[in-house]
Amino acid sequence: AQRVTQPEKLLSVFKGAPVELKCNYSYSGSPELFWYVQYSRQRLQLLLRHISRESIKGFTADLNKGETSFHLKKPFAQEEDSAMYYCALSGLSGGYQKVTFGIGTKLQVIP
Amino acid sequence: NAGVTQTPKFQVLKTGQSMTLQCAQDMNHNSMYWYRQDPGMGLRLIYYSASEGTTDKGEVPNGYNVSRLNKREFSLRLESAAPSQTSVYFCASSGQANSYEQYFGPGTRLTVT
Repeated sequence: AQRVTQPEKLLSVFKGAPVELKCNYSYSGSPELFWYVQYSRQRLQLLLRHISRESIKGFTADLNKGETSFHLKKPFAQEEDSAMYYCALSGLSGGYQKVTFGIGTKLQVIP
Repeated sequence: NAGVTQTPKFQVLKTGQSMTLQCAQDMNHNSMYWYRQDPGMGLRLIYYSASEGTTDKGEVPNGYNVSRLNKREFSLRLESAAPSQTSVYFCASSGQANSYEQYFGPGTRLTVT
């Protein structure tokens, strides 16, 4: 079975402080990990994916297979980063490719 | 392109009533999905359609039915609504079956009293 764990429902940081949104996963094969973001009154949208190794809006995430983690990081939080963040895993389950989402972490950036 | 559209945006039902949530995409995607979003539960897959003409159960299909009307449209039906189905429902589409890059609609907020 595949599982995604986001241990923090709410993370509050001050503007300019570093941000780390935690994500751990359980999967027996080689997963594809990604982060989705949902800004207030907007739809969910893909933020970044681990295979691209890209930085979007200053966010990065590194897949650590040893620790089975895919934490989302940003060195300096901005007020516009306030949103819900979902970690997700795509992997084979029961013969088909399945996407599993975590419960989400609400990031609140305090001015 | 409108992307993924959903109707209605809000709905209040009484227990036992039925309704259909509509979803359409204009990106020529093969796969479409229905999720529900509940506080502390994240997004849970109700049903998905890997391609036109096929539908499969997801994680929480009980109490729901779906129809892939054509490549563009994927509807979700509640035959006899229950308070436990109070939730926000999201439709999504992707270019491939269960591709990680899913495009989401704006959501439907459903309350069952």
